[in-house]
Amino acid sequence: DTAVSQTPKYLVTQMGNDKSIKCEQNLGHDTMYWYKQDSKKFLKIMFSYNNKELIINETVPNRFSPKSPDKAHLNLHINSLELGDSAVYFCASSQTGTGRGYGYTFGSGTRLTVV
Amino acid sequence: GNSVTQMEGPVTLSEEAFLTINCTYTATGYPSLFWYVQYPGEGLQLLLKATKADDKGSNKGFEATYRKETTSFHLEKGSVQVSDSAVYFCALRGGGNEKLTFGTGTRLTIIP
Repeated sequence: DTAVSQTPKYLVTQMGNDKSIKCEQNLGHDTMYWYKQDSKKFLKIMFSYNNKELIINETVPNRFSPKSPDKAHLNLHINSLELGDSAVYFCASSQTGTGRGYGYTFGSGTRLTVV
Repeated sequence: GNSVTQMEGPVTLSEEAFLTINCTYTATGYPSLFWYVQYPGEGLQLLLKATKADDKGSNKGFEATYRKETTSFHLEKGSVQVSDSAVYFCALRGGGNEKLTFGTGTRLTIIP
């Protein structure tokens, strides 16, 4: 069983469209994240949810809206897609209370291409 | 705030060469330090970690030692293989529920 799974793996869409990426984790973690990786491989955190509550919201256009229906799922909806949104988006999860000694578990990524 | 500075790549080495990828950090308190690896087309995988000063993390022949005096966590491997070709990320996590902060990544290519 995949610990953190994202769908779709690839997404090609036209400018102006609205799209969603889904993420599910079966690790029992209570915190989930979205990261964006640009073409130079730089990783930037976008959002974090803890038990369905938004706890990190970095400087991200409001066209990006995360939704967490339960602590095992964190979806990312993007409105009015732009060329600059093309990137690989990674979902990750972790468990609070386990201390700073624990990293995150990452999904395999969704490569979004806006044409 | 916390930050991680990594050696800029790309790094190209011949098989069986010795590898060092430098990583230094700035943080308040006593963070934990991590190395993640991203193979082509895949997500990030935890390679190794260290949670306190002088700890050594190791995995798959890679090692890194938490050096508080030099605020460093350099990644080393004695003899690299073609299969080690990947992007390597140094990261830190502070106390509480602080987020994981990544370096910019170092692309490593090993040629036969």
